[in-house]
Amino acid sequence: GQNIDQPTEMTATEGAIVQINCTYQTSGFNGLFWYQQHAGEAPTFLSYNVLDGLEEKGRFSSFLSRSKGYSYLLLKELQMKDSASYLCAVRPPGNTPLVFGKGTRLSVIA
Amino acid sequence: GAVVSQHPSRVICKSGTSVKIECRSLDFQATTMFWYRQFPKQSLMLMATSNEGSKATYEQGVEKDKFLINHASLTLSTLTVTSAHPEDSSFYICSARDQWRGAETQYFGPGTRLLVL
Repeated sequence: GQNIDQPTEMTATEGAIVQINCTYQTSGFNGLFWYQQHAGEAPTFLSYNVLDGLEEKGRFSSFLSRSKGYSYLLLKELQMKDSASYLCAVRPPGNTPLVFGKGTRLSVIA
Repeated sequence: GAVVSQHPSRVICKSGTSVKIECRSLDFQATTMFWYRQFPKQSLMLMATSNEGSKATYEQGVEKDKFLINHASLTLSTLTVTSAHPEDSSFYICSARDQWRGAETQYFGPGTRLLVL
């Protein structure tokens, strides 16, 4: 089966660091995506991990542990504009659709 | 990054009419396109997968005769909502993939907001 879990909501303070976790149990694995989705807009690509370890891209970093079925998205120096939903998605093998988690709604407060 | 466009971005139509939504990949060949629907404050829901030149594969519960998908070229897929009703009002988003370019290639269009009166 396919199952992806991530927290429903998180709140963090402007300027702080927040870590959004994602755990997955899927039949096969060909990479993990993180997308950002602002209210009323389509998702935008943030990161893709297929090997274990940390990938850093500016204020955002994404980590993957395949043996643990675990990933996290780390957001540093939070800004108000980072308030959005963050979607974790796993790509199964083959040319099959991504499997999405339900998303984590992050609220950044002053 | 790769760009996927959708047109129109917003459409309002009367109940019973048909609406066509276009999804284009602008700088890569989209061998596969996915169509999603999203209701307010809910998760993305996959409607169908289309591969260029072949029939779309619909998810369970999605009526293929109501949501017609055509993927006639490597840069264009269309979704036609036939005989639209108010309950079809939603945010429709396409996503394009070049399966030969690498697993990381999967980008979303900006979405089309459909309101059926």
